[in-house]
Amino acid sequence: AQTVTQSQPEMSVQEAETVTLSCTYDTSESDYYLFWYKQPPSRQMILVIRQEAYKQQNATENRFSVNFQKAAKSFSLKISDSQLGDAAMYFCAYRSRDSNSGYALNFGKGTSLLVTP
Amino acid sequence: GAGVSQTPSNKVTEKGKYVELRCDPISGHTALYWYRQSLGQGPEFLIYFQGTGAADDSGLPNDRFFAVRPEGSVSTLKIQRTERGDSAVYLCASSTGSGNEQFFGPGTRLTVL
Repeated sequence: AQTVTQSQPEMSVQEAETVTLSCTYDTSESDYYLFWYKQPPSRQMILVIRQEAYKQQNATENRFSVNFQKAAKSFSLKISDSQLGDAAMYFCAYRSRDSNSGYALNFGKGTSLLVTP
Repeated sequence: GAGVSQTPSNKVTEKGKYVELRCDPISGHTALYWYRQSLGQGPEFLIYFQGTGAADDSGLPNDRFFAVRPEGSVSTLKIQRTERGDSAVYLCASSTGSGNEQFFGPGTRLTVL
């Protein structure tokens, strides 16, 4: 089974600054997806960014970008120009591309991001 | 509605009681997933439906948990003889097809006293 580890229970960043959230994972598969989800107090999980393992180029979505290191099995999220609305729990997740492995998302424990004015 | 909806938003019950949690997926989404999120943890997969059938129920913790999706749209997660350890947020997600992006609902917070 794949495991996803987020070693930072809590992170803090000042408004307009940059913060990086860490994620490592363990898998024997070569083809898979990685995700970062945001969960505000409303509880609804919102997809922030997605990376396909076969793509070498790091995904970016506006102020959000990832540093995907396949050999190291590392997948960090960088948030630039942090805004107060970025405060939330952030979850890293893994999903196999092999249909025989199912389509379930496998989540880490999350990192709570605080944004200070 | 535009998104996945779940009812009730909160449910408090007593140990040993039976509960039903409902999920209304996005219209047209054929795949539906249930996850359970315990306090301080990430969501854990419970069961996945493709259409009316449970394609993968490997995450259900024991036989007290059961889910149905009789018409391929709304799904109900049923928990019998609830235990205090069942207290968690139960999240539902849907997608246009297997393997596509999953859109989550706001969850049902279940508290078993």
